[in-house]
Amino acid sequence: AQTVTQSQPEMSVQEAETVTLSCTYDTSESNYYLFWYKQPPSRQMILVIRQEAYKQQNATENRFSVNFQKAAKSFSLKISDSQLGDTAMYFCALGEYGNKLVFGAGTILRVKS
Amino acid sequence: DTGVSQDPRHKITKRGQNVTFRCDPISEHNRLYWYRQTLGQGPEFLTYFQNEAQLEKSRLLSDRFSAERPKGSFSTLEIQRTEQGDSAMYLCASSLPAYQETQYFGPGTRLLVL
Repeated sequence: AQTVTQSQPEMSVQEAETVTLSCTYDTSESNYYLFWYKQPPSRQMILVIRQEAYKQQNATENRFSVNFQKAAKSFSLKISDSQLGDTAMYFCALGEYGNKLVFGAGTILRVKS
Repeated sequence: DTGVSQDPRHKITKRGQNVTFRCDPISEHNRLYWYRQTLGQGPEFLTYFQNEAQLEKSRLLSDRFSAERPKGSFSTLEIQRTEQGDSAMYLCASSLPAYQETQYFGPGTRLLVL
């Protein structure tokens, strides 16, 4: 069975600093995708970044980047220059055959001014 | 460009009643997904459609749950004889049909069963 584990229930960071959220996963598939979604309080879930497993290069989107370690089945999210608007629940998700997503339990990130 | 919409946004019902939720996907997306999210947890997959065909159902989708997408556009999720354990946020997402296209989520319907 596919599993996604986020071991940090809550994290906090000062505005303008860098924070890294951890995620590990397990799958028997060789072809899969990984995602980080952000769910702000009382707002809908939006995609932050995605990574194709066959790509060795780590994905980046502006202030967001990932550290994808395929052998270790690790997929962490780094947020640089944190902003108050980054305060949200962050979910790591695994997508594979059938396109359904398997989500972790989430990490609450609080950005403090 | 409208995103995924869901209706209603909130629903309070009494145990034993039936409820129905609606999801309207992004217009060019022919894949539609339903997830359930309980407080403090990540979403769990329930079912998904490609056009009007329901291609996969989770074991979480008991026989009290039924989902339809009759014309391959909007979808409905019905829960019959609701139980308190059904209280959750029900999320809908849609995507293009290619392998592992990004899923775009709606705002969800929050259900409270009293």
